[in-house]
Amino acid sequence: GAGVSQTPSNKVTEKGKYVELRCDPISGHTALYWYRQSLGQGPEFLIYFQGTGAADDSGLPNDRFFAVRPEGSVSTLKIQRTERGDSAVYLCASSLNPPGSGGETQYFGPGTRLLVL
Amino acid sequence: GENVEQHPSTLSVQEGDSAVIKCTYSDSASNYFPWYKQELGKGPQLIIDIRSNVGEKKDQRIAVTLNKTAKHFSLHITETQPEDSAVYFCAASSYGQNFVFGPGTRLSVLP
Repeated sequence: GAGVSQTPSNKVTEKGKYVELRCDPISGHTALYWYRQSLGQGPEFLIYFQGTGAADDSGLPNDRFFAVRPEGSVSTLKIQRTERGDSAVYLCASSLNPPGSGGETQYFGPGTRLLVL
Repeated sequence: GENVEQHPSTLSVQEGDSAVIKCTYSDSASNYFPWYKQELGKGPQLIIDIRSNVGEKKDQRIAVTLNKTAKHFSLHITETQPEDSAVYFCAASSYGQNFVFGPGTRLSVLP
């Protein structure tokens, strides 16, 4: 596709439920990032994939959050036992090349707005 | 870890005037500094970036300056237009990893 796409665009769930958020990066981009953005704040790093592997998951807040990228393209962010504090916009970004190679420019998707009731 | 501060939090300018947004960072290892524009309901969009081996970069009405010694970098928008109104974020990264974003600046360009 022409850009990064994310589905669903909006997700409303109840406290305690499980949710999956999907990201389709730009074709050919090897690096994929997940961020969380709360209202009025900048994006907060969650996890970074290089290919199929999670190169840096230091931003995941706790073990309820997990992400996969099994084929090195599409990624899914999974949140178990959702809490009201998980409500935010979850952004995905991709970049062409690995960090340090000069291809660090990140292209963001429109985000998934998650609301936990 | 890296800490990025951004000022001002809100900025209003008259159409045609210039706007300047400033960011400071704490980690001397950071070497890549992008600026993003975010419109309501959309993801951040890269508008300009600069690497630590360059002091200034310009792209039409937008420019970024970097002072590595003082650990600060600034976004300059000249001849502002109403469509420049948005939230602007700076970020700092070390070799494309550990991206840390500033809290954002809401720019309003008044016609």
